[in-house]
Amino acid sequence: AQSVTQLDSQVPVFEEAPVELRCNYSSSVSVYLFWYVQYPNQGLQLLLKYLSGSTLVKGINGFEAEFNKSQTSFHLRKPSVHISDTAEYFCAVSDRAGNQFYFGTGTSLTVIP
Amino acid sequence: DTEVTQTPKHLVMGMTNKKSLKCEQHMGHRAMYWYKQKAKKPPELMFVYSYEKLSINESVPSRFSPECPNSSLLNLHLHALQPEDSALYLCASSHRDLQETQYFGPGTRLLVL
Repeated sequence: AQSVTQLDSQVPVFEEAPVELRCNYSSSVSVYLFWYVQYPNQGLQLLLKYLSGSTLVKGINGFEAEFNKSQTSFHLRKPSVHISDTAEYFCAVSDRAGNQFYFGTGTSLTVIP
Repeated sequence: DTEVTQTPKHLVMGMTNKKSLKCEQHMGHRAMYWYKQKAKKPPELMFVYSYEKLSINESVPSRFSPECPNSSLLNLHLHALQPEDSALYLCASSHRDLQETQYFGPGTRLLVL
C-alpha cells in the first residue's frame, strides 16, 4: 500500500516570497505522484504530476516539483507567490496499476499581503 | 470543455430520507469517481467506475449506492444516512483510470440532520 505525508499543515508566506510545500511518500512499489490545489469552496484542480522521466516537473501557475526517489519526496515549489495562491494543497499518490489513490492530509497555504 | 458538473450544490436531508447526487461530464472520460471530504480533511475515495462498471468500492456502507447509467453520468443514491455522513461529496473523472489527471466537480455539500 502507498501513503503520503505532508508534514506542514499550515504555511504562511508573504506575497512575492518563495514557498516550498513538503510531501513524502511511502511505497513498496513504483508510484505516480500528483499535486492538487483546492481553492475555498471549490473542487480540486491538478497542478502537476510525475509519471516518469525528468525528475523536475513544471505545472500550472508557476509551480514546479522535484521527484527525489532516494528521499521519497515530491516537494512543491514556487519562486514568488501571489495572494491568489492562497488555497489548500494536496499531494497524492497512485499505484502504477491505477487501483489505488490516496491524498495527503493537505497543506493550507496563506499568502500575506 | 473540461467541466464536471454536480447537482445539487447543497442538500439537507433527514436520516429517513432518500436523495440522490448527480454528476455529469462530457469530456469522453471512461472513469468516474466519488469522493467524500470532511471539513479540514483530504478527499477519500469511495467508488470507482470504469467503463460504466463498478471497479472499486472502498468499503463504503450500503446506505451509499452508486450508479452509472451511461458514460457521462454518475449518481450517488443516499438512504438512511447518519449525521456523521455530513460532508462535501466530490465527483471526478479521468480518461481511463486513477493514474491520469482527474477533473473534479465543485461538490455537493450534504448536511444530514
